[in-house]
Amino acid sequence: QVQLQESGPGLVKPSQTLSLTCTVSGGSISSGSHYWTWIRQPAGKGLEWIGRTFVGGNTYLNPSLESRVTLLADSSKNQFSLNVRSVTAADTAVYYCARGVLRQAPWPHPVGYHYFYMDVWGKGTTVTVSS
Amino acid sequence: EIVLTQSPGTLSLSPGERATLSCRATQSVSSSYLAWYQQKPRQAPRLLMYGTSTRATGIPDRFSGGGSGTDFTLTINGLEPEDFAVYYCQLYTTSSLTFGQGTRLEIK
Repeated sequence: QVQLQESGPGLVKPSQTLSLTCTVSGGSISSGSHYWTWIRQPAGKGLEWIGRTFVGGNTYLNPSLESRVTLLADSSKNQFSLNVRSVTAADTAVYYCARGVLRQAPWPHPVGYHYFYMDVWGKGTTVTVSS
Repeated sequence: EIVLTQSPGTLSLSPGERATLSCRATQSVSSSYLAWYQQKPRQAPRLLMYGTSTRATGIPDRFSGGGSGTDFTLTINGLEPEDFAVYYCQLYTTSSLTFGQGTRLEIK
């Protein structure tokens, strides 16, 4: 079964770049209608979508973060990555990678009726922004 | 931008009772793109429901989902001790993804 694992520094200084990698095992990031997604969660708060990327396709980012965020996918390493530039304390959070699935709903739903959901998640990695 | 508002913020119930969680969107949305997740402390969220009413693999049938338009619900019949957690609804659009702020289901 597919598993995701986040990795990267747990501590980043303010104004620097936060860089995380999600390694996918048990499946290829290039197969299927999968959107490789990053989500974060500040301590005691809710989930915030950061963005998603589709190998060989488009990348979509949260408008509130898009000026500072880059998502990349590396098929050769079966990984995807997140960079957040110019971080502040507000970027301190648990960061999750997840697999998003976009698929045609089965009969009797009509063609073009799709589902989207995130069915596989990494365990999360805590990133603290502090000097 | 579509905003999802979940209510109540906290729901206090006893095992065996029924929980009804609400997720309201600021405009009508496609029910196919509405999902629910369960999150326990220090764990990643777990997919419960997608397409509003389809249970994810391994999710027991005491969980059910419904709704359309702007109003969606997650119902848990006969609460088990392991059901006490935080629940999030999620909406996908072509260029975005939105979560509700969550409902905490706690033991009364």
